[in-house]
Amino acid sequence: GAGVSQSPRYKVAKRGQDVALRCDPISGHVSLFWYQQALGQGPEFLTYFQNEAQLDKSGLPSDRFFAERPEGSVSTLKIQRTQQEDSAVYLCASSYQYEQYFGPGTRLTVT
Amino acid sequence: RKEVEQDPGPFNVPEGATVAFNCTYSNSASQSFFWYRQDCRKEPKLLMSVYSSGNEDGRFTAQLNRASQYISLLIRDSKLSDSATYLCVVIDSNSGYALNFGKGTSLLVTP
Repeated sequence: GAGVSQSPRYKVAKRGQDVALRCDPISGHVSLFWYQQALGQGPEFLTYFQNEAQLDKSGLPSDRFFAERPEGSVSTLKIQRTQQEDSAVYLCASSYQYEQYFGPGTRLTVT
Repeated sequence: RKEVEQDPGPFNVPEGATVAFNCTYSNSASQSFFWYRQDCRKEPKLLMSVYSSGNEDGRFTAQLNRASQYISLLIRDSKLSDSATYLCVVIDSNSGYALNFGKGTSLLVTP
């Protein structure tokens, strides 16, 4: 079956631009997570949704980061006024019970 | 200090060798433990869960030592296809769902 998909796969943004990253979870998965993976590091938790409710946004690094999942399926991670330190791979994961299945990620480069 | 610590390696081993990775975690209340595998420029994928009694899956054996707060992964009879980064993962005990990743240990199996 279809896994988690993310788009775009690659994004280059000039410093100060806004970006929107999309995640399509596995159909029927209630839980959705966003992680940020910097080069040479493990992924770091950003935020968690259960259906359309954002239950945890404690990992979002600043108020420039905003995530939504309005209908409890597709999610968008938005970064406003991008900075160079935002350059990373943004991974989305979804789960039905405990195992989290990851999408291929969006590689964001801020120049 | 990160909650999950791993030796980043790289570990370079010949085909057929046995290799072991260790990982330590700082939160004694942690309950769930995993090893994930991440290939270059790919998403992390669950390799195996780690249980207190230890568990084996083919050539892979995972062990948990709660008293010392460390987790290990043993790979026997290494194959070229085992070359990847191995991420030690602990479920964050505060949230009960967010994955806490180590930085990963890089393994290169050579002919």
